[in-house]
Amino acid sequence: DAKTTQPPSMDCAEGRAANLPCNHSTISGNEYVYWYRQIHSQGPQYIIHGLKNNETNEMASLIITEDRKSSTLILPHATLRDTAVYYCIVREGGASSASKIIFGSGTRLSIRP
Amino acid sequence: DADVTQTPRNRITKTGKRIMLECSQTKGHDRMYWYRQDPGLGLRLIYYSFDVKDINKGEISDGYSVSRQAQAKFSLSLESAIPNQTALYFCATSPRPGANTGELFFGEGSRLTVL
Repeated sequence: DAKTTQPPSMDCAEGRAANLPCNHSTISGNEYVYWYRQIHSQGPQYIIHGLKNNETNEMASLIITEDRKSSTLILPHATLRDTAVYYCIVREGGASSASKIIFGSGTRLSIRP
Repeated sequence: DADVTQTPRNRITKTGKRIMLECSQTKGHDRMYWYRQDPGLGLRLIYYSFDVKDINKGEISDGYSVSRQAQAKFSLSLESAIPNQTALYFCATSPRPGANTGELFFGEGSRLTVL
């Protein structure tokens, strides 16, 4: 599994867009980018994932650079409930994938009122 | 009811005791994982299983063992607990990854304290 690099902490004003970067310079062609978040000591929660194209769902948007070496998770209108640790992960896709899922240290996002 | 259930949620034990953490899931997923989290740190993979009878070591398997008794059950054992195994433990499941799947679903965690 490729490694990822994230800033240890960030903050954002409530109501503004929160942009969380992730570097994954050694990502291979069949590896997806996944984002999870963990609120306090709860189990991590899936947010979004993508391969090449930008993705959007009801929680967030994922922007992947053309060379796929980095990505940005965007929370369009951050609220206090978005305060959490955000994890960026890369892993193989495909039904036969045997890749394990490795978490790094993540980015601690603080939303200020 | 939670799709991924861990028991016990909290446990305090003494050094040298045998401890078992249990995980059961109703999602019908093939793949199950055990992670450990220490304060201020990310999750570290202990063991994972891609099917019944399939067991694989993760990053930090020393001092732990697992059993995949059925598709829905994956247990983590500490044969002789030591204080540095004090941590928050998470079980997770995932379907076989495909073009648009592969996400992990986590339990609520089991907080273990070894005195």
